[in-house]
Amino acid sequence: QQQVKQSPQSLIVQKGGISIINCAYENTAFDYFPWYQQFPGKGPALLIAIRPDVSEKKEGRFTISFNKSAKQFSLHIMDSQPGDSATYFCAASAAGGTSYGKLTFGQGTILTVHP
Amino acid sequence: DADVTQTPRNRITKTGKRIMLECSQTKGHDRMYWYRQDPGLGLRLIYYSFDVKDINKGEISDGYSVSRQAQAKFSLSLESAIPNQTALYFCATSPGQGQSPSTDTQYFGPGTRLTVL
Repeated sequence: QQQVKQSPQSLIVQKGGISIINCAYENTAFDYFPWYQQFPGKGPALLIAIRPDVSEKKEGRFTISFNKSAKQFSLHIMDSQPGDSATYFCAASAAGGTSYGKLTFGQGTILTVHP
Repeated sequence: DADVTQTPRNRITKTGKRIMLECSQTKGHDRMYWYRQDPGLGLRLIYYSFDVKDINKGEISDGYSVSRQAQAKFSLSLESAIPNQTALYFCATSPGQGQSPSTDTQYFGPGTRLTVL
């Protein structure tokens, strides 16, 4: 059962454009929503994360938008660069219960930024 | 992340063979995890350990077993490998409660590409 659904599976953007990746979750106990970035041959690494007490978090060119009522969150990459080409994973975890400390990942999005 | 190492990096084996993948970390984290990555399926949790004496099954533990030999070492075994276990395997660590930084951030190793023929 996939509790976090991510789209699109792949995305091609021109340099300077905006990349948008979306995720939807089902478990209302989730309260931590990170995005991980993975380059070929490497393990995923934390890019940016948000908690549901805010609707948006920005770090440089990367922004997470969070909609608690819709149970959706998205990653926006402004001024996309070829160096942003990677696989992006959204994830979610809950603070308590049996899910504490465990991340549930989305299916991943392969982003290609053309120069 | 060089603080989390995995061996081997690549392995080709045959159906029915026993395989062990090893993970070591120098981050001093209490928590360790094993994931497998398949195209279109993302990362799925196989097993996780919140300390040396605590080991738990993840969502896809069938056909796998683990051993937490020390705080720094967490091994994944495939007792009798089958072709649908061909995948990219990742080990990850995170701080335990009371450790810093946040327990939530997981730090991944470079992965092991396993092929079962």
